[in-house]
Amino acid sequence: AQKVTQAQTEISVVEKEDVTLDCVYETRDTTYYLFWYKQPPSGELVFLIRRNSFDEQNEISGRYSWNFQKSTSSFNFTITASQVVDSAVYFCALTPANAGNNRKLIWGLGTSLAVNP
Amino acid sequence: EPEVTQTPSHQVTQMGQEVILRCVPISNHLYFYWYRQILGQKVEFLVSFYNNEISEKSEIFDDQFSVERPDGSNFTLKIRSTKLEDSAMYFCASLPGGWENSPLHFGNGTRLTVT
Repeated sequence: AQKVTQAQTEISVVEKEDVTLDCVYETRDTTYYLFWYKQPPSGELVFLIRRNSFDEQNEISGRYSWNFQKSTSSFNFTITASQVVDSAVYFCALTPANAGNNRKLIWGLGTSLAVNP
Repeated sequence: EPEVTQTPSHQVTQMGQEVILRCVPISNHLYFYWYRQILGQKVEFLVSFYNNEISEKSEIFDDQFSVERPDGSNFTLKIRSTKLEDSAMYFCASLPGGWENSPLHFGNGTRLTVT
């Protein structure tokens, strides 16, 4: 069975703090993709990153960084020096790499991040 | 950058009515998807569509739901007789051929409210 767990339902930080959003996944597939999406209050889903299971290099994009650890089935997301505009719900998602046409993402419940001024 | 566009942004309908949610995928994309998010809950897969037929559908996608690509640009989701529990945000997404290197980009969603 495939499952994505985001244990943190809500996080509240003060601007400029660093914050890490946890994501733990379960899958029997040997190759898979992991994703992070941001959902701001306006409701749209904004793609942030995709990671292949065979690529365990961590990635940094500006204030965002991702730590993929296959050994612990985790794909955590860190925002450095958080800003009010980072306030949103963040979703982690998983899909098998061999899903063919069926890009059926399995989603976590999301973590609601509030960055206060 | 090309976008997936969805209309309307918000639709209010009465229980039992039919609704059609419209999506214009990115041009030249071949794979199309609908997802749903009930307010405050996680996003759920509804259906995938390729080569003018459904590739896979979830348990949610029962006989009340149908999808269609009526022309070369639109991709629609029809709910035949809406129920209160169909109230949700519906997201459309598309992928190009050779999708292995493409993430799933979503439209801005249609908020469906069934009263």
